[in-house]
Amino acid sequence: QKEVEQNSGPLSVPEGAIASLNCTYSDRVSQSFFWYRQYSGKSPELIMSIYSNGDKEDGRFTAQLNKASQYVSLLIRDSQPSDSATYLCAVPNYGGATNKLIFGTGTLLAVQP
Amino acid sequence: KAGVTQTPRYLIKTRGQQVTLSCSPISGHRSVSWYQQTPGQGLQFLFEYFSETQRNKGNFPGRFSGRQFSNSRSEMNVSTLELGDSALYLCASSLYEGEGNIQYFGAGTRLSVL
Repeated sequence: QKEVEQNSGPLSVPEGAIASLNCTYSDRVSQSFFWYRQYSGKSPELIMSIYSNGDKEDGRFTAQLNKASQYVSLLIRDSQPSDSATYLCAVPNYGGATNKLIFGTGTLLAVQP
Repeated sequence: KAGVTQTPRYLIKTRGQQVTLSCSPISGHRSVSWYQQTPGQGLQFLFEYFSETQRNKGNFPGRFSGRQFSNSRSEMNVSTLELGDSALYLCASSLYEGEGNIQYFGAGTRLSVL
């Protein structure tokens, strides 16, 4: 059973700090990774995708991928109260030629003003 | 460009009834996937359709079914509803089939079974 694991949190950080969210996955052949943000009562919204080892930056968000360690992380710089949400890590189910995503349980981030 | 549209947004049903949920993907997207989200189980894959064909199915009982029409719109049906079917049902669309494609989610249908 392919798995994606995240710390459920809550992760509490003060406004302006860096929030670090982590995700590990079990399938060594995984090639792409996605971070979704989900506000309470809303649907998931894609915020980052990453396909290669290393860092990918987009505004205040940086995704980091280490395939050897089967680890992907999301850094949020200058955290704002509006960043308070659940962050979901998702990995495609490789080998099935489908778009099926396997999701972690999500990390609840709370940014304190 | 319009996003993924799901209807209805909210549903209240009683045990034993059946329900049909609808999803219209982003224009031009041919792949539609359905997910169930509950507090206990998180986001779980139900099934995926591409060009009117079911490509993959998750570990859900046969009471859960779906289909896709020639215009890529999709419906899912749940028969003989149980209390445990209460969940947020999410539809996601993608331009292509195959692993690694970005999926965009609709607002979801929140189903409550009484």
